[in-house]
Amino acid sequence: GAGVSQSPSNKVTEKGKDVELRCDPISGHTALYWYRQSLGQGLEFLIYFQGNSAPDKSGLPSDRFSAERTGGSVSTLTIQRTQQEDSAVYLCASSFLGQNTEAFFGQGTRLTVV
Amino acid sequence: AQTVTQSQPEMSVQEAETVTLSCTYDTSENNYYLFWYKQPPSRQMILVIRQEAYKQQNATENRFSVNFQKAAKSFSLKISDSQLGDTAMYFCAFMTPYNTDKLIFGTGTRLQVFP
Repeated sequence: GAGVSQSPSNKVTEKGKDVELRCDPISGHTALYWYRQSLGQGLEFLIYFQGNSAPDKSGLPSDRFSAERTGGSVSTLTIQRTQQEDSAVYLCASSFLGQNTEAFFGQGTRLTVV
Repeated sequence: AQTVTQSQPEMSVQEAETVTLSCTYDTSENNYYLFWYKQPPSRQMILVIRQEAYKQQNATENRFSVNFQKAAKSFSLKISDSQLGDTAMYFCAFMTPYNTDKLIFGTGTRLQVFP
């Protein structure tokens, strides 16, 4: 596709359930980021993948959060045993580090934990 | 560690007027990129303008321009002839390319343009 695609766009889940959020980056982009944005707040860094390097997981808030990137393309962010404080918009972005360092964002997944 | 600070949580401006949003950052790197992103209510993040640290000339994109002061580590955004469609959250961001550093954002400034 032409841009970064995230699915689902909205997700309502019950407290304690696991959820998976998907990100399809722009083809060829080597870097992929996940951010969390709580209502009216800034972007909280979660995790960063760059090529074949080990991911930077320093922003993951707890061990209930994990992410993987298969084949250097699609990424899945998994939240286990969801809590109400996990409710937020989860944004994914991709970029090609080098000549063009612009990060392109998806429209995010709005997660609501009830 | 790199940090980005936006000290203005909210700003307002009248249509057709000019407004400046502030951003400061902290880094020990010499080569880096700075960005301003716009996030309208649709929540789609849109790149407004980009500045390479090695370039002394301030970047401009139509009504948007920056005042990049490398020594002061300041990167403000000026919006001229403000339009109602400029109403959005604006985020300043920092990146060091060619290494494993992540794209770091400030906390954002909510801009309201009034008719």
